[in-house]
Amino acid sequence: DTGVSQNPRHKITKRGQNVTFRCDPISEHNRLYWYRQTLGQGPEFLTYFQNEAQLEKSRLLSDRFSAERPKGSFSTLEIQRTEQGDSAMYLCASSLQAGNTEAFFGQGTRLTVV
Amino acid sequence: EDQVTQSPEALRLQEGESSSLNCSYTVSGLRGLFWYRQDPGKGPEFLFTLYSAGEEKEKERLKATLTKKESFLHITAPKPEDSATYLCAVQAWGAGSYQLTFGKGTKLSVIP
Repeated sequence: DTGVSQNPRHKITKRGQNVTFRCDPISEHNRLYWYRQTLGQGPEFLTYFQNEAQLEKSRLLSDRFSAERPKGSFSTLEIQRTEQGDSAMYLCASSLQAGNTEAFFGQGTRLTVV
Repeated sequence: EDQVTQSPEALRLQEGESSSLNCSYTVSGLRGLFWYRQDPGKGPEFLFTLYSAGEEKEKERLKATLTKKESFLHITAPKPEDSATYLCAVQAWGAGSYQLTFGKGTKLSVIP
């Protein structure tokens, strides 16, 4: 297994358009997280899945954001009606379900809204 | 609310000049403290997890320590390839999602 995979790596979109990102976690990992990181800041938590269930969402996740993990494997994050403030690196991470285990991050999707 | 403060924001070292990065945290109950390394344009790379005060972990030139209020990442005889941003994060008991709260990071530059 090559780790957490995210696609695309870069996305440039016009304001008002919808975008969708994909995350493929490490295969045996049940937990999946989405984070957002802006320049000079640490990653900020957006949402969490355990298998296919979305168990927690940050108040940062406005109504324009939606995430799914339909079969407990890959996940998608969609942003509708993008705004310039949505420009950021979107990071996906996964971890094992058992105990308090470390999360492994993907390389991220860099979104630029113009 | 859980908070993580890292200092300094940036650090320039000569190759071979040892130093320490600080991570101060406030959390309702610490489940774990994590250190990550992040290179420009890449995702964070896991380094260490510390669970209780007094715990220490080492990996090559890096050593992480933990007290009840802060953690240190000691870098011994750094090399230019150690240049990166080092992120500290905490995980709290009661946070059912096991989410991490990150600091802003310390940007380390090691000059040859």
